[in-house]
Amino acid sequence: NAGVTQTPKFQVLKTGQSMTLQCAQDMNHEYMSWYRQDPGMGLRLIHYSVGAGITDQGEVPNGYNVSRSTTEDFPLRLLSAAPSQTSVYFCASSYAGANEQFFGPGTRLTVL
Amino acid sequence: AQSVTQPDIHITVSEGASLELRCNYSYGATPYLFWYVQSPGQGLQLLLKYFSGDTLVQGIKGFEAEFKRSQSSFNLRKPSVHWSDAAEYFCAVGQPMEYGNKLVFGAGTILRVKS
Repeated sequence: NAGVTQTPKFQVLKTGQSMTLQCAQDMNHEYMSWYRQDPGMGLRLIHYSVGAGITDQGEVPNGYNVSRSTTEDFPLRLLSAAPSQTSVYFCASSYAGANEQFFGPGTRLTVL
Repeated sequence: AQSVTQPDIHITVSEGASLELRCNYSYGATPYLFWYVQSPGQGLQLLLKYFSGDTLVQGIKGFEAEFKRSQSSFNLRKPSVHWSDAAEYFCAVGQPMEYGNKLVFGAGTILRVKS
């Protein structure tokens, strides 16, 4: 098992550019989520999905879109990047019957 | 809404000394509680978790945590710290399944180990 994988590892964008952060898991987990990590603030939930075709907003959803067309993949889209979106982004997944989440290695995004 | 407080932003301990990292939570029902560790530039690794049952939970790397409902606390302990334990530690509380497995994290405690 590869677990939870994220691409790219690093990305630099200019303000207004768009991009998609990729997340995939091979554990057949129903639940997937995206967090952003900022210094002194821990991790904050952006969006989550409880299964294919079902997504919902977390604590800080503005500026981000998600979709879940398959169980394995949960991409995060930035439609028009802003400097405030400079952060480290983590994808996580878990089984529906448990609360233990497995995290990917993260994507470090800088918006200039 | 639930919340997690980690009162200590930084802690420095000597190698071989004991360690306790504090975590207080606010949650209306019986919580699911977690401790994660993050080494510099790495992802998060689960140290231990509490769902129910015995309030003293053993984890990996010699860590343990005790759930105290009366104090709304879930403090992490280790009897003898190693230099490799230097990292950032996050406490988190999980919502029950019907709310989609959401985790709320504390701000983290950075552990420094001096030789």
